[in-house]
Amino acid sequence: QKEVEQDPGPLSVPEGAIVSLNCTYSNSAFQYFMWYRQYSRKGPELLMYTYSSGNKEDGRFTAQVDKSSKYISLFIRDSQPSDSATYLCAMTRAGGTSYGKLTFGQGTILTVHP
Amino acid sequence: EPEVTQTPSHQVTQMGQEVILRCVPISNHLYFYWYRQILGQKVEFLVSFYNNEISEKSEIFDDQFSVERPDGSNFTLKIRSTKLEDSAMYFCASVGDQGEKLFFGSGTQLSVL
Repeated sequence: QKEVEQDPGPLSVPEGAIVSLNCTYSNSAFQYFMWYRQYSRKGPELLMYTYSSGNKEDGRFTAQVDKSSKYISLFIRDSQPSDSATYLCAMTRAGGTSYGKLTFGQGTILTVHP
Repeated sequence: EPEVTQTPSHQVTQMGQEVILRCVPISNHLYFYWYRQILGQKVEFLVSFYNNEISEKSEIFDDQFSVERPDGSNFTLKIRSTKLEDSAMYFCASVGDQGEKLFFGSGTQLSVL
């Protein structure tokens, strides 16, 4: 079983739709959970991070973590064409230099069409 | 917002040649990382670096790879003798001592011919 699994899509939605992106993981040592956005041939850009189960909201983005089910989600409300990108989930153990040792999902390619 | 800077953006080299990829992490950050992404595949951790030494490395980071922080601002990744399979996008990343936000550079696209 892969440590982090993410449906690669592609996912195509109309502008204004609610987008749901998901990852599952198998390693219970993961404590911090992040979502990155990556445009073609660019570096990952941090969107959201959280370390507790529950929801965290930032503007149109909501990150959800369920540690008991080992499942995380990112919701994008009122999606825009500019949201078209690859979305990467990532996770890590807590503390020190281990914090930056991220394990990434495959990435989900999202297209929002006008 | 502060950013991690990587140079060059593209590097083309012949198999067997040495390459050095350069990064300037965010100035007050203490923890530094290299990742790579082969086209169409996951972003993969290579190595972490703290207090002028390697903290952790992956199986990918074999004897052909080395990292160095030659001065107070630069962080480099050297590949001693490149192979075709080293062709990938290489990302540098850094985080401060408060943790939480790991910033990535824009990457160096390495092509080994």
